[in-house]
Amino acid sequence: GQNIDQPTEMTATEGAIVQINCTYQTSGFNGLFWYQQHAGEAPTFLSYNVLDGLEEKGRFSSFLSRSKGYSYLLLKELQMKDSASYLCAVTFDRGSTLGRLYFGRGTQLTVWP
Amino acid sequence: DADVTQTPRNRITKTGKRIMLECSQTKGHDRMYWYRQDPGLGLRLIYYSFDVKDINKGEISDGYSVSRQAQAKFSLSLESAIPNQTALYFCATSDPLDRGPGEQYFGPGTRLTVT
Repeated sequence: GQNIDQPTEMTATEGAIVQINCTYQTSGFNGLFWYQQHAGEAPTFLSYNVLDGLEEKGRFSSFLSRSKGYSYLLLKELQMKDSASYLCAVTFDRGSTLGRLYFGRGTQLTVWP
Repeated sequence: DADVTQTPRNRITKTGKRIMLECSQTKGHDRMYWYRQDPGLGLRLIYYSFDVKDINKGEISDGYSVSRQAQAKFSLSLESAIPNQTALYFCATSDPLDRGPGEQYFGPGTRLTVT
């Protein structure tokens, strides 16, 4: 829902850099989250962006452009353990439902040795 | 100890049976959520509760009901299970937005199979 789009699958090699994109409808946008989910496990929170720009957290960075309805998650120095699904989730400013997350379908990243 | 727990972790049941999935949290969060996850479809919201007296339908509430017994407990019921309710179910919690960005914390999931 809410037109949150991200690629279904990506592959990369160990040590490389990968960028996972996410687009969303801009109307009523409030904030954007990235989650990591290993197979069969719970999603875990990676990052939150509400203002334009880049947020860096170790090997992971997340970028937001509010006017373009666009975000990306950048993973550097890829490791095998980074193989997982990466979920983009958005909150919209809609009164009583503010705070509810709308998830994209996730991008399955496979890291090869 | 885990902050968000779900019971059972795995359940196999037959069509037509009533099933209850339970979620407990020690994070002190007011907001709780139930999602289901199916391959290729991502996480879809079933019900959510912003406090003990508040219950709201999500995208796919048909066939499900919930009960918020206390701030720490939120249970999901399938009144009469059907095979297309076979999925991985997650409970999540969060603070209200006036206390932070509102990131959600997920339980370990319940894998439900309806035969």
